[in-house]
Amino acid sequence: SQQGEEDPQALSIQEGENATMNCSYKTSINNLQWYRQNSGRGLVHLILIRSNEREKHSGRLRVTLDTSKKSSSLLITASRAADTASYFCATDGGGSYIPTFGRGTSLIVHP
Amino acid sequence: SAVISQKPSRDICQRGTSLTIQCQVDSQVTMMFWYRQQPGQSLTLIATANQGSEATYESGFVIDKFPISRPNLTFSTLTVSNMSPEDSSIYLCSANRDSGTDTQYFGPGTRLTVL
Repeated sequence: SQQGEEDPQALSIQEGENATMNCSYKTSINNLQWYRQNSGRGLVHLILIRSNEREKHSGRLRVTLDTSKKSSSLLITASRAADTASYFCATDGGGSYIPTFGRGTSLIVHP
Repeated sequence: SAVISQKPSRDICQRGTSLTIQCQVDSQVTMMFWYRQQPGQSLTLIATANQGSEATYESGFVIDKFPISRPNLTFSTLTVSNMSPEDSSIYLCSANRDSGTDTQYFGPGTRLTVL
């Protein structure tokens, strides 16, 4: 299965701290995408990283990809209460460009 | 980016009835998809909505239960037929312009509760 698995399942931190979430997958990929979902609403796309890329940044977000370990991490720096959400990674590969999703990490940032 | 809207945003339905969810994209897209997210779970792909032909369903999903239409490059519908409480989920439409190279965007979802 191409499905990514996020770790930890739940993360609780204080405002201002950094939050790191990890995603592992089983087979080679084309792309890996990170999404945020607030309170069971639609998914907001955060970052897409391709298999030949190692790191990408967007504002307070930093995503790394290690294809040798089949893993990715999402770092949110200087977290805010508004970052409270579920975060999902989605991978595609094996001849399909349709992303499949992991179970997600539930992040709570306390003010 | 693509802006995707869905209607309705939520509904409460009786067992045995059907509901059609509409998905509208603000520009032409190559690929459109329908996902289901059961309470507390991740997203599961139901099907790929193909323009001008029958949808491609994933294992465990069938056309009789989830008929899908895609009459053009910006619009698709998903019907949840003969509903039961197990169909209570969030249903999400997604799209991308260029499979393999483009970001996959999502609509806001339709929260369905079946009594």
